[in-house]
Amino acid sequence: ILNVEQSPQSLHVQEGDSTNFTCSFPSSNFYALHWYRWETAKSPEALFVMTLNGDEKKKGRISATLNTKEGYSYLYIKGSQPEDSATYLCAFGSQGNLIFGKGTKLSVKP
Amino acid sequence: EAQVTQNPRYLITVTGKKLTVTCSQNMNHEYMSWYRQDPGLGLRQIYYSMNVEVTDKGDVPEGYKVSRKEKRNFPLILESPSPNQTSLYFCASAWASGGAYNEQFFGPGTRLTVL
Repeated sequence: ILNVEQSPQSLHVQEGDSTNFTCSFPSSNFYALHWYRWETAKSPEALFVMTLNGDEKKKGRISATLNTKEGYSYLYIKGSQPEDSATYLCAFGSQGNLIFGKGTKLSVKP
Repeated sequence: EAQVTQNPRYLITVTGKKLTVTCSQNMNHEYMSWYRQDPGLGLRQIYYSMNVEVTDKGDVPEGYKVSRKEKRNFPLILESPSPNQTSLYFCASAWASGGAYNEQFFGPGTRLTVL
């Protein structure tokens, strides 16, 4: 059974802090690594999809890197804001099968 | 507006009474998928479809059926629901030059309770 691990499980930071999360996944049969942002009472929204080793993607203050050889991806948030509070999910894609980690819950205090 | 819709949004039913949760997307996506969300277990894939008439099992398919007769619709069928299928269900769709390669658009979720 393929396993996707995310750490930490939860994170509490102050507004303005920069933070990062880790996603670990199997290094074989890799097709894509997805990151989603999930706010309470809403649906997950896509942040990034990365397919190539060494990929780096950026959207505003949020960026992600990918290492498929060692099986990890980092998500960085620069200068966290209260509106960044959410659960961040990563998912390992092997063709159509998508396996999600349990997420990192981020709380940003004003 | 581009969207994925699910119906019903909330459902309380009894063990053994067949039900269908509908999912429809208006983005002409090839790929569609069903997930369930349970506390402490994260999102788990039930079934997915790479295109019309093509469906495959995800990680937790037992007790569920799906069909993909049209591109826009991907209904989830519970022939004989049981209490362990009480969960929050999400449908999602994506462009499929690779299916899982592409970002998924999620529906609003269906909260199902089986008594």
